[in-house]
Amino acid sequence: DVKVTQSSRYLVKRTGEKVFLECVQDMDHENMFWYRQDPGLGLRLIYFSYDVKMKEKGDIPEGYSVSREKKERFSLILESASTNQTSMYLCASSNTGETQYFGPGTRLLVL
Amino acid sequence: GQNIDQPTEMTATEGAIVQINCTYQTSGFNGLFWYQQHAGEAPTFLSYNVLDGLEEKGRFSSFLSRSKGYSYLLLKELQMKDSASYLCAVRTNQAGTALIFGKGTTLSVSS
Repeated sequence: DVKVTQSSRYLVKRTGEKVFLECVQDMDHENMFWYRQDPGLGLRLIYFSYDVKMKEKGDIPEGYSVSREKKERFSLILESASTNQTSMYLCASSNTGETQYFGPGTRLLVL
Repeated sequence: GQNIDQPTEMTATEGAIVQINCTYQTSGFNGLFWYQQHAGEAPTFLSYNVLDGLEEKGRFSSFLSRSKGYSYLLLKELQMKDSASYLCAVRTNQAGTALIFGKGTTLSVSS
């Protein structure tokens, strides 16, 4: 079975803090993705990566950065957290042309 | 622009059949996915269509018409555990292997 894990299920941070969300997949997938999910807006793509050290902006990259130093790990970084970044963050992975598999999600609250 | 439309909410009763529609307008098309998402959980893969026609998988079937930009997910013999959000997602040629998601349809099954 494909397994995608995320470092935290719930996280509470203060405005201005630097926040790291980690995602690890164990299926040697080439592609990894970060989405955020908000009520009424659905899932929106923040960044994705198709190879180690490669990254592409998604639809809403502002305020976020990513890092992929190893194939199995994709990190999402909030440089200076703001209240409008309170959301559910979902990581996914896939091989090219195949289904995306999602992690359990991190529910982030920024106070 | 990219647009994926699906109804916001649907209700049905146990044992019934329900059809959830999805229409899309995207730049390029390289497959349509349906995911199921229970409240507070990650999306899980249900079905994938890339050619026109019906794909059947147990109680769930998915249909695609590329010329009409239209898909539906058919759920038969509804059970209470089918109460969830159903997400329609399109893979285009533009965004690598990333998916564009609709906002989801929340299905409530009552006894």
